[in-house]
Amino acid sequence: GQNIDQPTEMTATEGAIVQINCTYQTSGFNGLFWYQQHAGEAPTFLSYNVLDGLEEKGRFSSFLSRSKGYSYLLLKELQMKDSASYLCAVDKIYNQGGKLIFGQGTELSVKP
Amino acid sequence: EPEVTQTPSHQVTQMGQEVILRCVPISNHLYFYWYRQILGQKVEFLVSFYNNEISEKSEIFDDQFSVERPDGSNFTLKIRSTKLEDSAMYFCASSEMPRGGEAYEQYFGPGTRLTVT
Repeated sequence: GQNIDQPTEMTATEGAIVQINCTYQTSGFNGLFWYQQHAGEAPTFLSYNVLDGLEEKGRFSSFLSRSKGYSYLLLKELQMKDSASYLCAVDKIYNQGGKLIFGQGTELSVKP
Repeated sequence: EPEVTQTPSHQVTQMGQEVILRCVPISNHLYFYWYRQILGQKVEFLVSFYNNEISEKSEIFDDQFSVERPDGSNFTLKIRSTKLEDSAMYFCASSEMPRGGEAYEQYFGPGTRLTVT
């Protein structure tokens, strides 16, 4: 089976840094993805990790520890527009292509 | 920048009717997917499609559902005999072929909101 856990909601202040954690238990693992989803819109890709360590992309960074089944997304210099749901998704190994198994999402509210 | 497109943006249908949701994946992508998201719930994988056949499908994707690539650009999801619980946002996604152990991002379309009454 598979289980992906992330906090339901978080609040942070504009200009601050926030870390959104994700833990997973799954059979088959080909990488961990982070997506951003604004209400009523499609998920948009932020970052992914295949190997352990930190990946940095501008204001967003993502970390993975495969042995611990743990990842986090770090958002720096928060802006009001960063208020959205952040989805952790595991990419499962199978023959051709991949399938993303999503967590419930973390609703982030950025306050002035 | 290339993007995945979906039509219609909103579809209202009566229970028991058939619907076809349409998607145009990014042109050089080879893998296509359908996901759904019931209001307030998580995004759920339905099916993946490669080389003109289904690669994998979830338990949700039963005989009521089918997918097709009728031509070189469109990718469709057909839902036969819709039920109230099929009401959801349906997202199409596409991705390139993975290279040498790399993962690859899936690009999502804007979604079709299906309402079954």
